[in-house]
Amino acid sequence: DAGVIQSPRHEVTEMGQEVTLRCKPISGHDYLFWYRQTMMRGLELLIYFNNNVPIDDSGMPEDRFSAKMPNASFSTLKIQPSEPRDSAVYFCASTLNGGADIQYFGAGTRLSVL
Amino acid sequence: RKEVEQDPGPFNVPEGATVAFNCTYSNSASQSFFWYRQDCRKEPKLLMSVYSSGNEDGRFTAQLNRASQYISLLIRDSKLSDSATYLCVVNLSGGGATNKLIFGTGTLLAVQP
Repeated sequence: DAGVIQSPRHEVTEMGQEVTLRCKPISGHDYLFWYRQTMMRGLELLIYFNNNVPIDDSGMPEDRFSAKMPNASFSTLKIQPSEPRDSAVYFCASTLNGGADIQYFGAGTRLSVL
Repeated sequence: RKEVEQDPGPFNVPEGATVAFNCTYSNSASQSFFWYRQDCRKEPKLLMSVYSSGNEDGRFTAQLNRASQYISLLIRDSKLSDSATYLCVVNLSGGGATNKLIFGTGTLLAVQP
């Protein structure tokens, strides 16, 4: 298996623009997680899905952030409008059995909002 | 108080040294514990799970003290390739928080030749 695949790997955009990050989980994994990592705050869970259904979005910072999972093999995280403070590395991870199981991370998307 | 706290380091040690990292967690209901490793500009990867009785994987030993809400990782005979950030991770089981992993901010290890 190719593992969790994220795109793009790098994104540079200007403040106010819409940003869409994409994730393909490992086939057969029922759980998908979106994280954000910054130097100051470390790795923070934004939202997670189980069987394509959002379960907990309490980590989503504000209404500018939204996430969808239209099918078992694809998820998006959208920021609209983007702000400089959104600059971070965004990771997607998937797992077979939820939080007690190994989480496999994608390589991440490094976002810079100018 | 942070849910998972680690000393950020950096820990600078010579090759061959033994180094120990500590981690404390705030929620006594936590059920699953892990150490993840993250190389510079890479994604986190599972290093090892931490079991109540303690467990060992080669040069790595993990221990859990539930009474003190404390987790440790010991690395013996450290190698240059051990240089990375080590993330302490806790899962809160039960109720609606079953599947959330809480990550510490990590401890940076630099093994010197």
